[in-house]
Amino acid sequence: DQQVKQNSPSLSVQEGRISILNCDYTNSMFDYFLWYKKYPAEGPTFLISISSIKDKNEDGRFTVFLNKSAKHLSLHIVPSQPGDSAVYFCAATSTGTASKLTFGTGTRLQVTL
Amino acid sequence: DAGVTQSPTHLIKTRGQHVTLRCSPISGHKSVSWYQQVLGQGPQFIFQYYEKEERGRGNFPDRFSARQFPNYSSELNVNALLLGDSALYLCASSLRPDSETQYFGPGTRLLVL
Repeated sequence: DQQVKQNSPSLSVQEGRISILNCDYTNSMFDYFLWYKKYPAEGPTFLISISSIKDKNEDGRFTVFLNKSAKHLSLHIVPSQPGDSAVYFCAATSTGTASKLTFGTGTRLQVTL
Repeated sequence: DAGVTQSPTHLIKTRGQHVTLRCSPISGHKSVSWYQQVLGQGPQFIFQYYEKEERGRGNFPDRFSARQFPNYSSELNVNALLLGDSALYLCASSLRPDSETQYFGPGTRLLVL
């Protein structure tokens, strides 16, 4: 039972354009969502997060949008840079079990020149 | 400041053997969690420890165990290794057990032959 789904295994975007990575969840108890970036041979690196009391959180080039009614969140990267090429994981957790992150299967982003 | 460190980086074992993986959290972080990442999947929660006590456990068999030491470092032990235990084992640390944001180490890649 995949509670967090990233339906696009890969995405290719030109440098300077917007990258949009999507994530869906099924568990209504999830109330905190995170995005991690992972390079080969490294552990996941925290990027940005959002609480369910918000619908948008912005940090520099990264913005996360949350649509609770649709149980959907997205990560926007503007402008995309070649160094953004990595695997992006969406993760979710709920109050009281904050230590237990439930991850999606990841989306591989390639930013081309 | 040093991030989360893990040892060893790579390990090859045979079926039936036992393995011990080690993790040192970020200085000041008292909570450590362990995740298993199988190829092509997102990380899956195994354990969380805080103040030497188990605070959470994922859906893993009893062959998996862990402990935390007074200096907050942690060990993950896996007995009677199976081929399916081949994975990247990630350690994550956070300030408190209820901290949603966790910071990951580079992982230990275990291959079971």
